[in-house]
Amino acid sequence: LAKTTQPISMDSYEGQEVNITCSHNNIATNDYITWYQQFPSQGPRFIIQGYKTKVTNEVASLFIPADRKSSTLSLPRVSLSDTAVYYCLVGVGWDNFNKFYFGSGTKLNVKP
Amino acid sequence: NAGVTQTPKFQVLKTGQSMTLQCAQDMNHEYMSWYRQDPGMGLRLIHYSVGAGITDQGEVPNGYNVSRSTTEDFPLRLLSAAPSQTSVYFCASSGTPEKETQYFGPGTRLLVL
Repeated sequence: LAKTTQPISMDSYEGQEVNITCSHNNIATNDYITWYQQFPSQGPRFIIQGYKTKVTNEVASLFIPADRKSSTLSLPRVSLSDTAVYYCLVGVGWDNFNKFYFGSGTKLNVKP
Repeated sequence: NAGVTQTPKFQVLKTGQSMTLQCAQDMNHEYMSWYRQDPGMGLRLIHYSVGAGITDQGEVPNGYNVSRSTTEDFPLRLLSAAPSQTSVYFCASSGTPEKETQYFGPGTRLLVL
């Protein structure tokens, strides 16, 4: 079971870039890294997924070093609406589906 | 597509009562799962299913039963509710191996008195 460690909370201001780092020292060879966003009273929502190096989509970037023991979610120019809890998950969806571990996540508070 | 739907949105039970939380998805996903989320905590996996007729236990299965008779539906049954089961319950589904992301429902808030 590849557990993850994230900061409990982070503060930022509107317009800043936010980087949230996740440690996953026991990541397995076939494991992907997935990040979810959760607003209060809602289910988590997929943000980005990657295996190595860098992945970018319309909302975020994901940086994964060569040893894959950590990953960093980068949110460019955050706004108040990015205030949420962000979860890092490690696992392979098909064979190891039961081993997804959400952890407590990182609560991001964006201030005006 | 409605995505993943859950009913009811909110439920109050007395200790010892039983009930079924409903979950349905219209994306033809093989994988479905149930999580619980306690206040200020992350999600913990209760049960999951890899397809119709196949279920397995997650991290915290005690006190809950599931069945998967169709691809679309994955109900969660509380056999004898306890105050420790007060939580928010989320259902999720996943598609093909190439798309390993999970789609979550809006949640059911359960209060056991």
